[in-house]
Amino acid sequence: GAGVSQSPRYKVAKRGQDVALRCDPISGHVSLFWYQQALGQGPEFLTYFQNEAQLDKSGLPSDRFFAERPEGSVSTLKIQRTQQEDSAVYLCASSRDGTGNSNQPQHFGDGTRLSIL
Amino acid sequence: EDKVVQSPLSLVVHEGDTVTLNCSYEVTNFRSLLWYKQEKKAPTFLFMLTSSGIEKKSGRLSSILDKKELSSILNITATQTGDSAIYLCAVVDLYSGGGADGLTFGKGTHLIIQP
Repeated sequence: GAGVSQSPRYKVAKRGQDVALRCDPISGHVSLFWYQQALGQGPEFLTYFQNEAQLDKSGLPSDRFFAERPEGSVSTLKIQRTQQEDSAVYLCASSRDGTGNSNQPQHFGDGTRLSIL
Repeated sequence: EDKVVQSPLSLVVHEGDTVTLNCSYEVTNFRSLLWYKQEKKAPTFLFMLTSSGIEKKSGRLSSILDKKELSSILNITATQTGDSAIYLCAVVDLYSGGGADGLTFGKGTHLIIQP
């Protein structure tokens, strides 16, 4: 597609439920990033993929958070046993290169707004 | 720990005014600084700055990096109501997360342009 596509746009879940958020990056983009944006804050890095390899997951807040990109394209961020503090906008971004030395900007999707009741 | 500080956090001006948004950073190994505009949806890319003193320009928007002062400014001239948004500054640190491409963001400047 023309841009990064995320679904669903909004997700409401009860505390304790598992959720799965999808990201479809720009076609051909090697790098894929997930960010978490709390209200009134800038996005915070969660995890990074280069093709199908998850090279960095240092930003994942707990072991309840899990991300995958099995075929190097679409990625899913899964949150198990959700808690209220997981409520945030989850942004996905992709960039063309994946060398770790890229001068290509990241392009963001519209995000998934997750609300945990 | 990398740090990006934006100021002001919010700004209200009238249409036609010129605004200057500030971003200062502390990173271990700076590689680049990026500006994004965020309305209600995706942050949209504005500029990427890697070299000091070289102004990047796009229409009424321009930005420049000062590596000596560890800062950048984003200027918007002849503001319009459509410029109302949150402007995010982010830096790339060679040794930070994300395979050295992960962005560290500031909290953003919430700009409101009144008609």
